[in-house]
Amino acid sequence: AQSVAQPEDQVNVAEGNPLTVKCTYSVSGNPYLFWYVQYPNRGLQFLLKYITGDNLVKGSYGFEAEFNKSQTSFHLKKPSALVSDSALYFCAVRDLLNTGFQKLVFGTGTRLLVSP
Amino acid sequence: DVKVTQSSRYLVKRTGEKVFLECVQDMDHENMFWYRQDPGLGLRLIYFSYDVKMKEKGDIPEGYSVSREKKERFSLILESASTNQTSMYLCASSSGQGGNQPQHFGDGTRLSIL
Repeated sequence: AQSVAQPEDQVNVAEGNPLTVKCTYSVSGNPYLFWYVQYPNRGLQFLLKYITGDNLVKGSYGFEAEFNKSQTSFHLKKPSALVSDSALYFCAVRDLLNTGFQKLVFGTGTRLLVSP
Repeated sequence: DVKVTQSSRYLVKRTGEKVFLECVQDMDHENMFWYRQDPGLGLRLIYFSYDVKMKEKGDIPEGYSVSREKKERFSLILESASTNQTSMYLCASSSGQGGNQPQHFGDGTRLSIL
């Protein structure tokens, strides 16, 4: 089965510094990878996805992610963090079922805290 | 913008009650999903649906059922609520069949079973 791992429960960074939220994946075949963000008392919002093509994917709110096949990683990055980036971040991978349908498998989430 | 609306933000029910959680999407999406979110466990898929009157079990279907009588509406049913079903429940929808389209989420229902 496909899976993703987010090794850090929490990441702390000062405003203005670069941030990285880590994700590694385990899949058979080509991975479809996603990042979502969840602000307090809200549902998840889509940030970006990797299906194929360039290894550096750009998404919403200035975020980007780097797909690295040799390291089986898909880390989320931003050059300069904002306090408003503080939220819960989820990595997810597509799981293709025997029926031909698909579902997403989510990581356990990483809480990002950006201090002023 | 896609809008996924969950009928209640907060809900308190008693053990043994039958509980209905409703979800409506306005973008004619084929696919709809129910998740529960618990601290340290991330999101876990309960049930999903790829068409009207069609349903598939997710990873943790025990104690739940679903109904999809219309394309825009997907209901989650707790047949006999128990305290271990206290959680945040999230509904999502997406288009297409290839798995390359993002899911759009509602704001969640925080359900407490007393």
